[in-house]
Amino acid sequence: EAQVTQNPRYLITVTGKKLTVTCSQNMNHEYMSWYRQDPGLGLRQIYYSMNVEVTDKGDVPEGYKVSRKEKRNFPLILESPSPNQTSLYFCASSPNGGLAELLHFGNGTRLTVT
Amino acid sequence: SQQGEEDPQALSIQEGENATMNCSYKTSINNLQWYRQNSGRGLVHLILIRSNEREKHSGRLRVTLDTSKKSSSLLITASRAADTASYFCATVESNDYKLSFGAGTTVTVRA
Repeated sequence: EAQVTQNPRYLITVTGKKLTVTCSQNMNHEYMSWYRQDPGLGLRQIYYSMNVEVTDKGDVPEGYKVSRKEKRNFPLILESPSPNQTSLYFCASSPNGGLAELLHFGNGTRLTVT
Repeated sequence: SQQGEEDPQALSIQEGENATMNCSYKTSINNLQWYRQNSGRGLVHLILIRSNEREKHSGRLRVTLDTSKKSSSLLITASRAADTASYFCATVESNDYKLSFGAGTTVTVRA
């Protein structure tokens, strides 16, 4: 089944403890992206990648890192999480290389930082 | 930055009625996309309309685009309880190909 898989679904952690949220897609998509969703703010893009070894900042990249060593994986890394990073995170991929069209989303990761 | 703004923020209708929501945006776009999100889940893409198109249909969905007014509308006809969700418009800007989402319209369909 074609899908974007994020893990974990729920994560509670403490300030400063490094964490990684994994994202994997099995559709051979070139474009992948991370978003965070907060009430009243819609989805805001954190980072995106148009191909292997190519990553770019979105609108809210501070406090996050990503890597794209393989086409299928695009992990999101929080080196030192803070409470303002408590949010619902989505990974997405697109079949149209270079353009964010018809995104396929994962089911989300709800992160709480205390 | 948030490009699209949906209106209204929330909409409650009776099953069988039509639901219309609007999206306004600020800059020149390559395309505009509509997505649906069921509570707490990932978004699902519904329809994409390009800047040179004026109207598209997909099942009970009808999307219009007016680039002169920088606005789009999504019409859901003969709504069902399963249409209860949040609906987001997203735009791909012409110059940098970034995709930006609006804050969404929450639609509740009452049985």
